[in-house]
Amino acid sequence: SQKIEQNSEALNIQEGKTATLTCNYTNYSPAYLQWYRQDPGRGPVFLLLIRENEKEKRKERLKVTFDTTLKQSLFHITASQPADSATYLCALDEETGANNLFFGTGTRLTVIP
Amino acid sequence: KAGVTQTPRYLIKTRGQQVTLSCSPISGHRSVSWYQQTPGQGLQFLFEYFSETQRNKGNFPGRFSGRQFSNSRSEMNVSTLELGDSALYLCASKPWVQNTGELFFGEGSRLTVL
Repeated sequence: SQKIEQNSEALNIQEGKTATLTCNYTNYSPAYLQWYRQDPGRGPVFLLLIRENEKEKRKERLKVTFDTTLKQSLFHITASQPADSATYLCALDEETGANNLFFGTGTRLTVIP
Repeated sequence: KAGVTQTPRYLIKTRGQQVTLSCSPISGHRSVSWYQQTPGQGLQFLFEYFSETQRNKGNFPGRFSGRQFSNSRSEMNVSTLELGDSALYLCASKPWVQNTGELFFGEGSRLTVL
């Protein structure tokens, strides 16, 4: 069966450290992988997109890697801040023309001051 | 530029009733998708519309339906509500259907079925 698993439901980290979130997938062939941030009671907000032929993408303090052999994406937030506390969602796009994303259930990150 | 607007933000219904949710996409965006978010299942794709045509549908029963108007605004309807339909319903838009890229989500409509 198809699965998208994000490493843990909740992750606590000390301010200033690097947070690493994991997204593993089974029985998908994603052409793209996206990461979103969702705050309580709000809709998800797009952060980064990485293509299957890209190994790494960066944006300010954010870094995403994509390993299609391991079927895994890692999402890093360096120099984490309390304002980074949120739920982070990974989403797969198989680019079959279906134009719908398959989402993981998310990891709730808490950055402790 | 205004974001994706969803109405109503909160609503309470009872089993057996029906509900209609509305979504106004970002100006110029022609693709509108709907997702259901629950604590147990996460975000699940309901359907996607482009140019007033449903292009794709997720694995939901026929009680879930939608439509898109010529101005790209979209509505979704759930008939014969069940307790399990309680969820956050999210609408997302993007410029056009073949444009692979980010989805712009609204704040959602939180439906509670009693």
